[in-house]
Amino acid sequence: GAGVSQTPSNKVTEKGKYVELRCDPISGHTALYWYRQSLGQGPEFLIYFQGTGAADDSGLPNDRFFAVRPEGSVSTLKIQRTERGDSAVYLCASSLTASGGLYEQYFGPGTRLTVT
Amino acid sequence: AQTVTQSQPEMSVQEAETVTLSCTYDTSENNYYLFWYKQPPSRQMILVIRQEAYKQQNATENRFSVNFQKAAKSFSLKISDSQLGDTAMYFCAFIKAAGNKLTFGGGTRVLVKP
Repeated sequence: GAGVSQTPSNKVTEKGKYVELRCDPISGHTALYWYRQSLGQGPEFLIYFQGTGAADDSGLPNDRFFAVRPEGSVSTLKIQRTERGDSAVYLCASSLTASGGLYEQYFGPGTRLTVT
Repeated sequence: AQTVTQSQPEMSVQEAETVTLSCTYDTSENNYYLFWYKQPPSRQMILVIRQEAYKQQNATENRFSVNFQKAAKSFSLKISDSQLGDTAMYFCAFIKAAGNKLTFGGGTRVLVKP
């Protein structure tokens, strides 16, 4: 079956602009996660959804970052007033449900965001 | 808070030989899971192997095996009979048994040479 997909694959934007990054999880997966991977580092957790609600947004760095999942499937990560420090690969993952490590998190290929 | 440390930034190995990647972690949790993920240049994270902390037996998946030392908080990955396709970044990761977010180490780049 289809895996997690993310669009766009690459996004270049100017400092101060607004961007949206999209994630399509595996069909039937109720849990969805966003991670950010800066160059040369491991991914860092941003936010997690169970269904439509953000169950844990403790990883969002500041109020310029926001994510939604209105119908419990597709999710959009929104970044306002982008800064050069926001440049990174944004990874999305989904799992059947959120139950610690019991269910595997399947990752998408990521969106590489470059802020110039 | 949990931390995961990978002390080897890069490892190289000859094709068909064995390489071992180190990972240590710090947690006050008793129940948790540990993972090794592979990230090729395509960027997609692929689960290689998973270990449940309450299981004493080390996990194995074909050519991949782990050495899990709970008391020492150590979780190393051994790749046997290395293949060119094993060239990638490898990340060690931790999740609490009742948690929802993975905590990753900084990664080890593995280069398999022909």
